[in-house]
Amino acid sequence: KNQVEQSPQSLIILEGKNCTLQCNYTVSPFSNLRWYKQDTGRGPVSLTIMTFSENTKSNRRYTATLDADTKQSSLHITASQLSDSASYICVVSDRGSTLGRLYFGRGTQLTVWP
Amino acid sequence: EADIYQTPRYLVIGTGKKITLECSQTMGHDKMYWYQQDPGMELHLIHYSYGVNSTEKGDLSSESTVSRIRTEHFPLTLESARPSHTSQYLCASSEAEESSGNTIYFGEGSWLTVV
Repeated sequence: KNQVEQSPQSLIILEGKNCTLQCNYTVSPFSNLRWYKQDTGRGPVSLTIMTFSENTKSNRRYTATLDADTKQSSLHITASQLSDSASYICVVSDRGSTLGRLYFGRGTQLTVWP
Repeated sequence: EADIYQTPRYLVIGTGKKITLECSQTMGHDKMYWYQQDPGMELHLIHYSYGVNSTEKGDLSSESTVSRIRTEHFPLTLESARPSHTSQYLCASSEAEESSGNTIYFGEGSWLTVV
């Protein structure tokens, strides 16, 4: 069964600190993995997209890694800001999938305190 | 910034009422989607469209219906709302198959409460 599991479920950190969010998946055959940021009450916004051949991608203070062999990804946030408080969602799609065949994790709820 | 818009953002309606959630995008995308998301839970695909006059049901069974008469417009309709329909509904669009790695753009969501 294709699944996407994220950990931790929730995380509280102090402003300025770094943190790492985890995503494990069983989706096969793998095509790409995306990280989205979803503010409370808003729609998800894309942070990174990684294909099978990419093992790291950065977007400002966000750095995503991918290990396709172990089927794991991480999202590292550097020098956190209050505006980083949001849910971070890992999304995996399988190769050659029909339209809409994305597998969503439940997200990690990050809270940044001043 | 994504040019995809949903209305209404928040709605409270009574059981049995008919409701249409509007979604419009100005990016010229052929692919459009509707997802349902409960608090703290993952998104579930309920409808999608390849283009004009194309609509398909998604993974999650839904009593809603959709139409795609124009490229930019993808409304979702509930003929008779029930409390079990209370949820957040997210509209999205993309240029091509998401497996190709193209970005999927989401609207801000419509929060529906049925009392």
